[in-house]
Amino acid sequence: QQQVKQSPQSLIVQKGGIPIINCAYENTAFDYFPWYQQFPGKGPALLIAIRPDVSEKKEGRFTISFNKSAKQFSLHIMDSQPGDSATYFCAASGGGFKTIFGAGTRLFVKA
Amino acid sequence: NAGVMQNPRHLVRRRGQEARLRCSPMKGHSHVYWYRQLPEEGLKFMVYLQKENIIDESGMPKERFSAEFPKEGPSILRIQQVVRGDSAAYFCASSPQGLVYNSPLHFGNGTRLTVT
Repeated sequence: QQQVKQSPQSLIVQKGGIPIINCAYENTAFDYFPWYQQFPGKGPALLIAIRPDVSEKKEGRFTISFNKSAKQFSLHIMDSQPGDSATYFCAASGGGFKTIFGAGTRLFVKA
Repeated sequence: NAGVMQNPRHLVRRRGQEARLRCSPMKGHSHVYWYRQLPEEGLKFMVYLQKENIIDESGMPKERFSAEFPKEGPSILRIQQVVRGDSAAYFCASSPQGLVYNSPLHFGNGTRLTVT
């Protein structure tokens, strides 16, 4: 019940493409859904986060879409660039539960 | 550097030795979390500490692993009698508030432990 399932495991897109990463959760007590970006040799860094009272949030080229009834949320990267190549983790927390991470998606953006 | 500081960055230990990983949280943060990351895998929660208290250690193996966050000084993750399966990247994160407030986590750059 505390799992967060993330897909795909890896993703390759052309520069300018729109990669989409999907996550699903089960615990309805979760009420905070952050995405983290991790470059090789570095720790994860918060990219963008959403709470379930909104269905979409945009910050620059990054958009989170949230479907509360389906218990799913996704990350879209508009106009992707080679510098976006990294591993992306979705996560969930709330209701006193610690932050649980998805397994990660390795994104490669071809120049 | 006001970020989360972890040291050492790389640690090599022989089987049976002890590994000590240190984490200094961001200034003003009193909540520390330890996560373990295996190659090609996600981050697995190990332990959540506040100053002088272990709040949640449900993800930490009961044997050989221990953690502390003293009143003064960094948080320490200690692994006794290391085995090859302990080889991983260990990340520390901190937050200004605890779980109730859903504060985002600020991560250090990790300690990469290799057991030979």
